[in-house]
Amino acid sequence: KAGVTQTPRYLIKTRGQQVTLSCSPISGHRSVSWYQQTPGQGLQFLFEYFSETQRNKGNFPGRFSGRQFSNSRSEMNVSTLELGDSALYLCASTRQRGAYEQYFGPGTRLTVT
Amino acid sequence: GESVGLHLPTLSVQEGDNSIINCAYSNSASDYFIWYKQESGKGPQFIIDIRSNMDKRQGQRVTVLLNKTVKHLSLQIAATQPGDSAVYFCAENIGGANSKLTFGKGITLSVRP
Repeated sequence: KAGVTQTPRYLIKTRGQQVTLSCSPISGHRSVSWYQQTPGQGLQFLFEYFSETQRNKGNFPGRFSGRQFSNSRSEMNVSTLELGDSALYLCASTRQRGAYEQYFGPGTRLTVT
Repeated sequence: GESVGLHLPTLSVQEGDNSIINCAYSNSASDYFIWYKQESGKGPQFIIDIRSNMDKRQGQRVTVLLNKTVKHLSLQIAATQPGDSAVYFCAENIGGANSKLTFGKGITLSVRP
C-alpha cells in the first residue's frame, strides 16, 4: 500500500508570495492533518480535514488555509509569505477522525527568502 | 527529557544495549499516545501507540510504558542498532473525535558502533 505523498518536496519562495502544498493520503484514509515543523517550535498542528470540511484548527494566522477534495486529497495554502514561514510542512493521514494511528508523509521543505 | 530551542537532548547508547527514551506529556486528559521516529530528511515514522487504559504495550523490539499518575511515557528499544539513530518524538491525543496530536520536543538517539 502506498504511503502518504506530498508535493512538491522542496520549494523556494520570496516574501509576499503565496504557496500551495499538496498531500495525498493513504488509500482509504479520510482524515488529513497538517503540521509545521521548525527547529525552534518543533511540530505544531495546523489543521485537520475530514469529509472536505475543516474539523480542527491550530493557533496559526489566517494566512494559513487548506481544503480537502472528495478523494481525500488535501492542499494547504500560505499567503503573503514571511521569513518565519520557512519550515518543513508535514501532512498525516488516518482512517477516520480521533485517536487512531496517523501516518506522515515526507514533508515539503519551504524556504522563504 | 524535554528541551527547548534548537538543541535537542541526546541519548548516546552502545550498539546492542537497550535504550530508554522518556517523555513527560502535558495534558492529564490525553487518552492516546504515539511514539514516532524521524530520520534526517524524512517525515515522522510511526513506531508504536498506546491507549490510556493500558500501562504497557510491546511491539517488535520496542515497548511503550505509560504512567498516568505522573504523566510519563517511555519507549524502550531492545538491542539498539545503528539504524535506530534518529530523533524520537512522543505525541499525545485527547481522544474523542479529535485527530490533533500534540508533540514533545524530541530526543536524539545516537548509537555508537
